[in-house]
Amino acid sequence: GAVVSQHPSRVICKSGTSVKIECRSLDFQATTMFWYRQFPKQSLMLMATSNEGSKATYEQGVEKDKFLINHASLTLSTLTVTSAHPEDSSFYICSARTTGGQETQYFGPGTRLLVL
Amino acid sequence: SQKIEQNSEALNIQEGKTATLTCNYTNYSPAYLQWYRQDPGRGPVFLLLIRENEKEKRKERLKVTFDTTLKQSLFHITASQPADSATYLCALKNTGNQFYFGTGTSLTVIP
Repeated sequence: GAVVSQHPSRVICKSGTSVKIECRSLDFQATTMFWYRQFPKQSLMLMATSNEGSKATYEQGVEKDKFLINHASLTLSTLTVTSAHPEDSSFYICSARTTGGQETQYFGPGTRLLVL
Repeated sequence: SQKIEQNSEALNIQEGKTATLTCNYTNYSPAYLQWYRQDPGRGPVFLLLIRENEKEKRKERLKVTFDTTLKQSLFHITASQPADSATYLCALKNTGNQFYFGTGTSLTVIP
């Protein structure tokens, strides 16, 4: 099946710094990628839809200036958490949807962010 | 308001029995519904997709039903095994491009 990778898998940073998380589709092209965040024992909350070559679409309540998304190619989307604070600590997961009418989305392994 | 609720936060069953998980939704008109498995610290893994015009879908020991009148999907695992222990998530695709996830049910299969 299709493989999606995320890097880094785990990051610890100081409050006020920015953190970039990469999401790559390894063996397929993805015009659309999605970014989710998940708090412990809770479900995935969709943050934004990342579209290759255009601006991301953010869900209500998600600050676009706080969570910068760049989908520079058909295999790479990045999420940058700017000026991170402890409340941004969470599990961030990306997914990619295959093109050609496929409806399945494939998830990355997630990135655990801890802001001190 | 829109909601996707899964029956219980946690479900414990004996090995060999059938596990039944429920997903109910409110104020959505999904074109299709999906079920995923998530293990701790990992991303979800796709299991099954069922469309609005399908009543039932099967894959090996898994069976999914979809009732658009009741706005409910049931997910069954027959002959359950300890390796089936995980959190199971339902997700639906609304009229746009996005997928929205339910609250999840943590299943534990007891040997």
